Amino acid sequence: GAVVSQHPSWVICKSGTSVKIECRSLDFQATTMFWYRQFPKQSLMLMATSNEGSKATYEQGVEKDKFLINHASLTLSTLTVTSAHPEDSSFYICSARQTGVTQYFGPGTRLLVL
Amino acid sequence: SQQGEEDPQALSIQEGENATMNCSYKTSINNLQWYRQNSGRGLVHLILIRSNEREKHSGRLRVTLDTSKKSSSLLITASRAADTASYFCATTQGGSEKLVFGKGTKLTVNP
Repeated sequence: GAVVSQHPSWVICKSGTSVKIECRSLDFQATTMFWYRQFPKQSLMLMATSNEGSKATYEQGVEKDKFLINHASLTLSTLTVTSAHPEDSSFYICSARQTGVTQYFGPGTRLLVL
Repeated sequence: SQQGEEDPQALSIQEGENATMNCSYKTSINNLQWYRQNSGRGLVHLILIRSNEREKHSGRLRVTLDTSKKSSSLLITASRAADTASYFCATTQGGSEKLVFGKGTKLTVNP
């Protein structure tokens, strides 16, 4: 149980295009989903917290117009990187939480912007 | 902001040996969790220890928590090559549900 999927697992795009990443909780309803960013050989940095049906809460320094988050249902959250640039290249990981404190993580999406 | 600091940053051992990783944090916590990340993959939740607990076991894993020293340790006994991964501690504080991750320890278990 408690499986979280992400799609796509990797994506290469041209600078200036937008990329959408999906995060799904497959066997539970996630009241809260989290989006993280991880640079090579570094730890995870929380980007934003999203609750179903409400606006995401972004961490300091994260541009909400750059990283659009939609949590339309209890099993799906999307992160759209708008007008992506090479510096947005990174590993993006989502997690989902039902009740309690444990977060279940997706397998991650590797984004490469050329 | 990153609160947890794991040490060592990298650890290389032989199969069968025990591996110990440490994590220190700076502020009061609700609980501390350990996660494993295989290269280029997502995180797998290993174990959670609450602030009022001192030790917890799960299979070959043993976690201790010393709130007076603001530190935790993760012991993996009888390590296997498949344990090769990065290990992160993460804490939650106050009423927040946010996880604050440490920098991680990269463990290599040589067969």
